[in-house]
Amino acid sequence: DAGVIQSPRHEVTEMGQEVTLRCKPISGHDYLFWYRQTMMRGLELLIYFNNNVPIDDSGMPEDRFSAKMPNASFSTLKIQPSEPRDSAVYFCASSEGQGDTGELFFGEGSRLTVL
Amino acid sequence: LAKTTQPISMDSYEGQEVNITCSHNNIATNDYITWYQQFPSQGPRFIIQGYKTKVTNEVASLFIPADRKSSTLSLPRVSLSDTAVYYCLVGDPDRDDKIIFGKGTRLHILP
Repeated sequence: DAGVIQSPRHEVTEMGQEVTLRCKPISGHDYLFWYRQTMMRGLELLIYFNNNVPIDDSGMPEDRFSAKMPNASFSTLKIQPSEPRDSAVYFCASSEGQGDTGELFFGEGSRLTVL
Repeated sequence: LAKTTQPISMDSYEGQEVNITCSHNNIATNDYITWYQQFPSQGPRFIIQGYKTKVTNEVASLFIPADRKSSTLSLPRVSLSDTAVYYCLVGDPDRDDKIIFGKGTRLHILP
């Protein structure tokens, strides 16, 4: 398997624009997580899904953020409208789920810069 | 989820053994201890997990005392490429879906 695939790797946009980040989890993994990482706040869990259903979105900072998982092989994280403070690296991760070690497999991240 | 405490940063030299200790006083009976490693510009990656005593793999060893209130990640003979952030996590893989990362320990290996 190619691992967790994220796109784009880098995105530079202007304040107010819509940003869509994409993630393809490892096939067969039941859980998908979205994290955001900044120097100030570290690695923050935004939302996670189990079998395509959002389970906990308490980490989503504002209504400007939304995430979907229309099927087992694809998820999106959308920011509309974007603001400079949204600049961060956004990671997607997947895991097999309960009963195993719970090991998370991370993608390479999407580095977002909002000007 | 048990709270963990680990040093913010550590420096060491190439060829040395590095031990990073994590405190988790409120660890529950079914909790496991898991360590992740994050290189610059990459996502974290799982390196080792244990429940008690000692676990060893090709990357590291994990030492867990009998009371399980702390754990020590041991990296043998480090190299410059071991410079990374190391995260200690405690949770029950059968129950805890939500995986929260703390600040981690920033390990800097010097030549």
